[in-house]
Amino acid sequence: GAGVSQSPRYKVAKRGQDVALRCDPISGHVSLFWYQQALGQGPEFLTYFQNEAQLDKSGLPSDRFFAERPEGSVSTLKIQRTQQEDSAVYLCASSLEGSRVPQYFGPGTRLLVL
Amino acid sequence: SQQGEEDPQALSIQEGENATMNCSYKTSINNLQWYRQNSGRGLVHLILIRSNEREKHSGRLRVTLDTSKKSSSLLITASRAADTASYFCATDAGGNEKLTFGTGTRLTIIP
Repeated sequence: GAGVSQSPRYKVAKRGQDVALRCDPISGHVSLFWYQQALGQGPEFLTYFQNEAQLDKSGLPSDRFFAERPEGSVSTLKIQRTQQEDSAVYLCASSLEGSRVPQYFGPGTRLLVL
Repeated sequence: SQQGEEDPQALSIQEGENATMNCSYKTSINNLQWYRQNSGRGLVHLILIRSNEREKHSGRLRVTLDTSKKSSSLLITASRAADTASYFCATDAGGNEKLTFGTGTRLTIIP
């Protein structure tokens, strides 16, 4: 079946712009995760949804970051007033049940803030 | 913050040799997973080992877990050029669902 998809794959934004990153998880996957990956580093957790409920947003670096999953399927990560330090790859993952089972990752959105 | 550290940071071996990489973590865990990342296929799950397991095998992969030392190792036998990638360990702990990744080992297989 289809895997996790993300769009856009690449995004260039001017500092101060708002951006929206989309994630389509695997159909039927209850859990959805967002991670941020800086160059040469491992992914860092941002936020977690179980269906439409955002159960953990402890990793969001500031109140400029906002995520939603209104119908328990597609999710959007929004970054307001982007800063250069927001430049990174944003990865979305989904799983059948939290982290006790494998997570399936999308290809990521590479964000460059100029 | 990164929970784990992989060791070595980078490893180059000849095709056909075995590759071993290690992961250390800081807090008690529920499960430990290994993932592979390359530019072609993104981040892919390899194997999951639970905290009450000590060893697990999957094809050419062998994972061990030592909870007393808070460490895990990944062995890839009979390496292939396609194994060239970065390898990450990731843990979940307590009642949290989030995965905490290590810093990764960059593996290069020389044909």
